[in-house]
Amino acid sequence: GNSVTQMEGPVTLSEEAFLTINCTYTATGYPSLFWYVQYPGEGLQLLLKATKADDKGSNKGFEATYRKETTSFHLEKGSVQVSDSAVYFCALSANSGYALNFGKGTSLLVTP
Amino acid sequence: NAGVTQTPKFQVLKTGQSMTLQCAQDMNHNSMYWYRQDPGMGLRLIYYSASEGTTDKGEVPNGYNVSRLNKREFSLRLESAAPSQTSVYFCASSGQGVTGYNEQFFGPGTRLTVL
Repeated sequence: GNSVTQMEGPVTLSEEAFLTINCTYTATGYPSLFWYVQYPGEGLQLLLKATKADDKGSNKGFEATYRKETTSFHLEKGSVQVSDSAVYFCALSANSGYALNFGKGTSLLVTP
Repeated sequence: NAGVTQTPKFQVLKTGQSMTLQCAQDMNHNSMYWYRQDPGMGLRLIYYSASEGTTDKGEVPNGYNVSRLNKREFSLRLESAAPSQTSVYFCASSGQGVTGYNEQFFGPGTRLTVL
């Protein structure tokens, strides 16, 4: 079946540090890949997406590249801010119109 | 547009009580979903409705029922609540994008505690 594995947290970084959150997936066919972010006390928001191999999704300084050869979609940001503290979820959609498969989430805490 | 709305925001039940969680979306989306979020487990799909008039089980459907009342509304019912159903429940919806990918929009969640 389809599944997503992402690095365990929590991740604690100082402001302006470089961020990488690893995500790998298992899926049949050609899934679409997503990163969602959940701020404290809120629902999930789509952060970025990629729908085919070698696509790069980007938003708010975050980037992730769809790597089919390594089945990965790692999230990166060059300089994190305190406001980036949140839980980040990697997800895949193997069929349009059906539900997402989520990773377990990675909690990020950025300190001043 | 309000997006996806959920009611109530918080609820405390006693074991054996029943309740219905309400969800509505105003984006004219075909598909709607119910997830539960538990610490260290990520989000797990309970039920989904790919289109009006259809519902299907997800990963963890036991103890729940759903109703797709119309295109806008998708409710989740707990007939006899158990402590294991203490969780945060999220409703989501998605349309059929031009590229076919399944971007979902989430509600703010309902925090349910079963004593």
